[in-house]
Amino acid sequence: KAGVTQTPRYLIKTRGQQVTLSCSPISGHRSVSWYQQTPGQGLQFLFEYFSETQRNKGNFPGRFSGRQFSNSRSEMNVSTLELGDSALYLCASSRQGGKITEAFFGQGTRLTVV
Amino acid sequence: ILNVEQSPQSLHVQEGDSTNFTCSFPSSNFYALHWYRWETAKSPEALFVMTLNGDEKKKGRISATLNTKEGYSYLYIKGSQPEDSATYLCAYSNAGGTSYGKLTFGQGTILTVHP
Repeated sequence: KAGVTQTPRYLIKTRGQQVTLSCSPISGHRSVSWYQQTPGQGLQFLFEYFSETQRNKGNFPGRFSGRQFSNSRSEMNVSTLELGDSALYLCASSRQGGKITEAFFGQGTRLTVV
Repeated sequence: ILNVEQSPQSLHVQEGDSTNFTCSFPSSNFYALHWYRWETAKSPEALFVMTLNGDEKKKGRISATLNTKEGYSYLYIKGSQPEDSATYLCAYSNAGGTSYGKLTFGQGTILTVHP
């Protein structure tokens, strides 16, 4: 079966712009989580969506937002981009988002803010 | 331990060597411990999910153990091969009611296996 697909794979944006990243989960998976990885940092949890509802949110400013559609696809938006937002953004999908559920990751979107 | 910590940060071994890494995590409010392997330019791939104290899991030459009382897990690779070169991540999920979909990751151990 098809894996988790993230688009685009690479993106270059200017400070102050906004960006939208997309994640298509594995068919049948209803939970999508987003993570940020910056140099020297581990994967940091952004938020999780399940059945179009945000169930959990990490410690990120309000410039980071997301949504999930009825087909479980999810988008993440970052407004007013800052240089520090340059990072690899990964999404992960699972059936229910439970605590022992195996999460399947996409290859990520590499965002560079200049 | 308040966060997830992994050691060592990086490791270079020769082909055929056996190796192990450590993951330390908060022992209170523990629910599950996940191990992932992340090869360059690929997606992180789940290796194990463990929940019970004393749990041991095995997948080929890779195995893992879990001690929830003291808050640590070991990952072992027997007879390392160059294709084992990757970053190995551990991630912890706690028992809190609002922790759905959230994994707290360590910074990873970068393993390089030299032919």
